Amino acid sequence: DVKVTQSSRYLVKRTGEKVFLECVQDMDHENMFWYRQDPGLGLRLIYFSYDVKMKEKGDIPEGYSVSREKKERFSLILESASTNQTSMYLCASSSSGTSSGYTFGSGTRLTVV
Amino acid sequence: QQQVKQSPQSLIVQKGGISIINCAYENTAFDYFPWYQQFPGKGPALLIAIRPDVSEKKEGRFTISFNKSAKQFSLHIMDSQPGDSATYFCAASMSGAGSYQLTFGKGTKLSVIP
Repeated sequence: DVKVTQSSRYLVKRTGEKVFLECVQDMDHENMFWYRQDPGLGLRLIYFSYDVKMKEKGDIPEGYSVSREKKERFSLILESASTNQTSMYLCASSSSGTSSGYTFGSGTRLTVV
Repeated sequence: QQQVKQSPQSLIVQKGGISIINCAYENTAFDYFPWYQQFPGKGPALLIAIRPDVSEKKEGRFTISFNKSAKQFSLHIMDSQPGDSATYFCAASMSGAGSYQLTFGKGTKLSVIP
């Protein structure tokens, strides 16, 4: 069964900590995405990547960075976590071959205290 | 600007009724329109999708209606069941230039009551 795996379902971190959220896909997809989901705001794109070592900013990149050293893995980094980064984080991947939609992971619920 | 506007924000439907969620888009270059279903604590999952060369697509109790001239598309859930209670997102994307980035609506929380 093809899937996108996010390493943690729940995380609690302290303000100022550096936080790593990991995402791995097994579908050989070229594209990977990080979203955050907040009530009433829908899905907001943080960063995406179309290839290894390649990254592009989404709509809300401030306070985040990403790393894609291997095709299957896309990491989201919170350089210095703040309470307003408490959210559900969703990773997704897709193929560049055709418009075929995304496959999402189950999400990581991050709480920054 | 690439936007997809989704309504309503929330919807309560009686079991057995029809649930209807609407989306409108602005960019006429969009050529792929999927709907995602998200249960609490889970990531969104692709439910059904349509391309603009057809006006309707049906999969079981789920139907997408597409109106290209009005730049609108909608999801109909026939014989709605409590198990359909979830958040639904419409989305749109365009091909070409190596970009298949989806633009999402803000979501509709559907509650189907017995």
